[in-house]
Amino acid sequence: DQQVKQNSPSLSVQEGRISILNCDYTNSMFDYFLWYKKYPAEGPTFLISISSIKDKNEDGRFTVFLNKSAKHLSLHIVPSQPGDSAVYFCAASGYGGSQGNLIFGKGTKLSVKP
Amino acid sequence: DGGITQSPKYLFRKEGQNVTLSCEQNLNHDAMYWYRQDPGQGLRLIYYSQIVNDFQKGDIAEGYSVSREKKESFPLTVTSAQKNPTAFYLCASSPGWQGSLIEQFFGPGTRLTVL
Repeated sequence: DQQVKQNSPSLSVQEGRISILNCDYTNSMFDYFLWYKKYPAEGPTFLISISSIKDKNEDGRFTVFLNKSAKHLSLHIVPSQPGDSAVYFCAASGYGGSQGNLIFGKGTKLSVKP
Repeated sequence: DGGITQSPKYLFRKEGQNVTLSCEQNLNHDAMYWYRQDPGQGLRLIYYSQIVNDFQKGDIAEGYSVSREKKESFPLTVTSAQKNPTAFYLCASSPGWQGSLIEQFFGPGTRLTVL
C-alpha cells in the first residue's frame, strides 16, 4: 500500500501562473518531507524540504506547505516558467518510514505552456 | 567537482547475463542508495547502505546484489534472477539517514536494456 500518494499524474499551467502540486501521506510518523524535480533520463534534483515542526518553507519561487492534521503537503511554484516543466516527486522520511529512508510518490508531470 | 557518477549512461546486455552498474560519490556521504524507475512509476528502493561494510534490502531487492567495501563506492549487480531487469537505475547518497541529513543527491542514472 502506498504511503506517499501523488494523485494527479499530470498538471498543465500557463506561464506566469501558479502551479500547485499536491501530495498525501498515510504514516503519521513521517517527520521530514522533500520535493524533487526530474527531467527525462536524468537523476532527480532536490528542490525544497520541510520538517514536521513547520507548516511552511519558502525558497525563491518555491513554497512548500505542510498540513499535518490532513497528512497533506503541497508545492507552490510562482510564477511558473517553461523551464519548470518536469516530473515532480514528493518524498517522506521518518522513524515510522523504512528505517529512515525516503518513501517516494509516483510523481506529477508538470507542463508549463508559454 | 563534488557529486555522484554513474557509468555507463546506457548499457545493453543479453538475457541471462549478470551486469554490474557502478556508482561513485566524492561527497563524503555515509549513506548510499539504489533505486529503480519504470515508466509511470515512482522510485523504488532496491538496496541501501548506511555505512561502509553494511547494507540492507529495500522494497525490491530480489535479483539484485550490492557491496559497500569503500565509503565512496556502491556497485549494484543485476543478476539473471531478476525477471524484469530493463529499467532506469538511479544511485543516490545522503550525509546521514535522519532528519535533514536524509536529503539525497542523485546520480545521472543508467538505462539498462536486456535483449
